[in-house]
Amino acid sequence: QVQLVQSGPEVKKPGASVKVSCKASGYNFILYGINWVRQAPGQGLEWVGWISPYNGQTYFAQNVQDRIILTTDTSTNTAFMELTGLTSDDTAVYYCARELDRLEVLIVWGQGTLVTVSS
Amino acid sequence: SYVLTQPPSVSVAPGQTARITCGGNNIGIKSVHWYQQKPGQAPLLVVYNNNGRPSGIPERFSGSNSGNTATLTISRVEAGDEADYYCQVWDSTSDHVVFGGGTKLTVL
Repeated sequence: QVQLVQSGPEVKKPGASVKVSCKASGYNFILYGINWVRQAPGQGLEWVGWISPYNGQTYFAQNVQDRIILTTDTSTNTAFMELTGLTSDDTAVYYCARELDRLEVLIVWGQGTLVTVSS
Repeated sequence: SYVLTQPPSVSVAPGQTARITCGGNNIGIKSVHWYQQKPGQAPLLVVYNNNGRPSGIPERFSGSNSGNTATLTISRVEAGDEADYYCQVWDSTSDHVVFGGGTKLTVL
């Protein structure tokens, strides 16, 4: 079955970087874009960015566009999200999610990765 | 940037119909998608492209979209429907995905 499995929780200090992985299985990885969505504790969903594994095209949320790097490795069917210059505002559960037929229709989600930024 | 506005909370008795609104400027010309999120779980797509239903989602979940308001309707509400619900669109002006603030559905 279609599945996204994310890497484990991370604890980082302010100013550090974090890299979260999202391994896909059960479908042709190249054909569907991957979105990243985060959720701060007790808050709503916030879109972070999107990448096409086919050609590497990306879109980023305005508030992270200078600090985020999205990549994919088609040899291992894995997507990566790297966020630099972390602050406490970046503390959140980060989800990867595969698109259905439109970029923003998120049909399959990873289990989430908690990133905690604390001194 | 495009803004989606949802009521913070909606309450409904079991067996009744819940309607959760999502307001946005001329949202009727956009495709609206809805997600259900239960505590400690990842979101689940329940309605896409205004009124489409993914495989496995009960027919009790439906959507509509016109003018400045999109609506998620849950018929014959069950206790298991209690969750947070988020609307979402693609804003082609900014090339951004936009989520509403979320609505907590309480089943009385």
